[in-house]
Formats: sequence, structure tokens, C-alpha cells
Amino acid sequence: DAGVTQSPTHLIKTRGQQVTLRCSPKSGHDTVSWYQQALGQGPQFIFQYYEEEERQRGNFPDRFSGHQFPNYSSELNVNALLLGDSALYLCASSLPGNTEAFFGQGTRLTVV
Amino acid sequence: GESVGLHLPTLSVQEGDNSIINCAYSNSASDYFIWYKQESGKGPQFIIDIRSNMDKRQGQRVTVLLNKTVKHLSLQIAATQPGDSAVYFCAENIARGDDKIIFGKGTRLHILP
Repeated sequence: DAGVTQSPTHLIKTRGQQVTLRCSPKSGHDTVSWYQQALGQGPQFIFQYYEEEERQRGNFPDRFSGHQFPNYSSELNVNALLLGDSALYLCASSLPGNTEAFFGQGTRLTVV
Repeated sequence: GESVGLHLPTLSVQEGDNSIINCAYSNSASDYFIWYKQESGKGPQFIIDIRSNMDKRQGQRVTVLLNKTVKHLSLQIAATQPGDSAVYFCAENIARGDDKIIFGKGTRLHILP
């Protein structure tokens, strides 16, 4: 079992650009959540996907959007990147109604 | 409000001693609490959890205590080992059916030789 896998591991983008991050959930998991972790802070919930729909959303602007595919994998898209979007983006997978989430290693996004 | 905070940002403990990491939360409606360990370059790793209807739960070398009266949570690690060096986060889930996990800022645990 590969666990939760994320790609790429590191990424550098320029202000104003768009970025897509990818996540494959742990085998058997159908719920995917995305978190943003700024340096020295705890992860902040962005949104959660289940059955290919956004089920819950945190306090993030519409520039942050996502998608879940029929195989339960997910993408996080961020448009019009700001310097403040630089962070570690974490994906977590779980079973519906089960809050024990398994995290991937994250994608380190740097916006310059 | 929905906030989880920690008392100390850094904790240094002698190898072999017990570690106690504390956490305060503000939402009395929180139903479920989790401790995560995050090593450098890795995502958070689940350690132990506790529901609001319990006040203590034990795992392998770890114990979580919940005091709902003062909204306080602690993680005790017995016989601390070098591999325990990491940042520890307490996190809360507000209610059943709401899978959103709210993390605190974290405590870095240093193990002294």
C-alpha cells in the first residue's frame, strides 16, 4: 500500500501564474481533503472532496479550486498566485465519516 | 471560536524521560481531538485520538488526557526516544459529520542526549 501520494514534491511558480497539484489517496479511501501549511504553522483546511463533489470548504478564496476523479484521486488548482500562497500543500485521505486522516508528504510550493 | 492553541512552541526533554505536550482549545462543542506528529519533510502522522466523552486514552508509549472543564488536552510520551523528535500538533474536529480538522500551531520536541 503506497499510502497517500502527492506530486510534484516541489514547485516554483511566478506571481500571477496558475498551479495544479495532484493527490492519490490511500487504497480504499474515497474522501480527499486539502490543507495549506505555512512555515511554522499548523495545516489549514482548504476543502474536502467526496463522490467527485466539494463537500466542505474552509476560509480560502475562490482562486483555490479542486476536482476529484472517479478513481478518487484529486487535484488542487490555485489561480493568480500570490507570494502568500507559498506553503506546503498537504493532501489527506479518509473514509467518509471517519476523521482518521492519512496525510501525504505534501507539495512545497514557492511563489516568486 | 474554532481555535486550538499550544502553550509552548518548543520543548526539550532528556532521552529516556517522559514528555508532556499541552494544548488548549476554545470550542466547547468540539467532539473529537487528535494528536499528530510531523517530522521534517513529511506530512502529519496520526498518533492517538480521543472523543469528548472520554478523559483518557492510552496507546503504545503515548497517553492523551482530556480535561473538558478547562478545555485542555495533553499528550504524554513515555521514555522519550531520539525518534520522537518532531513537531506535535493537537487538532480538533468540531462535530460528527463535519470531517474538517482544525490544527493548532504545533510544539517542537527536542530530545537531549
